[in-house]
Amino acid sequence: QSVLTQPPSVSAAPGQKVTISCSGSSSNIDNNYVSWYQQLPGTAPKLLIYDNNQRPSGIPDRFSGSKSGTSATLGITGLQTGDEADYYCGTWDSSLNTVVFGGGTKLTVL
Amino acid sequence: QVQLQESGPGLVKPSETLSLTCTVSGYSISRGYYWGWIRQPPGKGLEWIGGIYYSGNTYYNPSLNSRVTISEDTSKNQFSLKLNSVTAADTAVYYCARASVQVTRILSYYYMDVWGKGTTVTVSS
Repeated sequence: QSVLTQPPSVSAAPGQKVTISCSGSSSNIDNNYVSWYQQLPGTAPKLLIYDNNQRPSGIPDRFSGSKSGTSATLGITGLQTGDEADYYCGTWDSSLNTVVFGGGTKLTVL
Repeated sequence: QVQLQESGPGLVKPSETLSLTCTVSGYSISRGYYWGWIRQPPGKGLEWIGGIYYSGNTYYNPSLNSRVTISEDTSKNQFSLKLNSVTAADTAVYYCARASVQVTRILSYYYMDVWGKGTTVTVSS
């Protein structure tokens, strides 16, 4: 049981937009910064978003992050088949004193 | 270009100690950042293990704290993980990663911006 809650799966057609939610609590998302990771099949995770909505160099602006209260959202526009991956949210939990992750969301581009 | 590479035994016996090393190239670990470990059991999600700053400051996952030690060797530009008393539940892909960290009362952040490719560790007799 993960501290952060994500939907197990989402799907959309190529070219469309999808959002992935990440729900937490006051001890994690509400008062700390959220990051998002993309894990393509058989590879290591890759940082997509940090500090709620910042993209590292090289990450296209098709990927966006937002946060409101105890929830965060990853948005992906202009979906491509190469976006099929598992996506994880993560943050610091001030009560547990640990990094916590969501359980992951599998994105299928139909 | 910063690169991280995990190394260590792929098979560990139950009750023994899992030992992994991460070799960093393209960046001196003594310049800054935290350096740590994350694992992923087969078919499951990510679990953060802990991290170390070049000054020696460490953060550990409380659920593993009593069994984990992360250390560094700045002369070799490496850092290491030791997990003792392992069981089958410790079977996972282990990743090393560089992390940006700020832990304060509020507005903390802890994110991993460079990852190794991962190494599979199986705990079995």
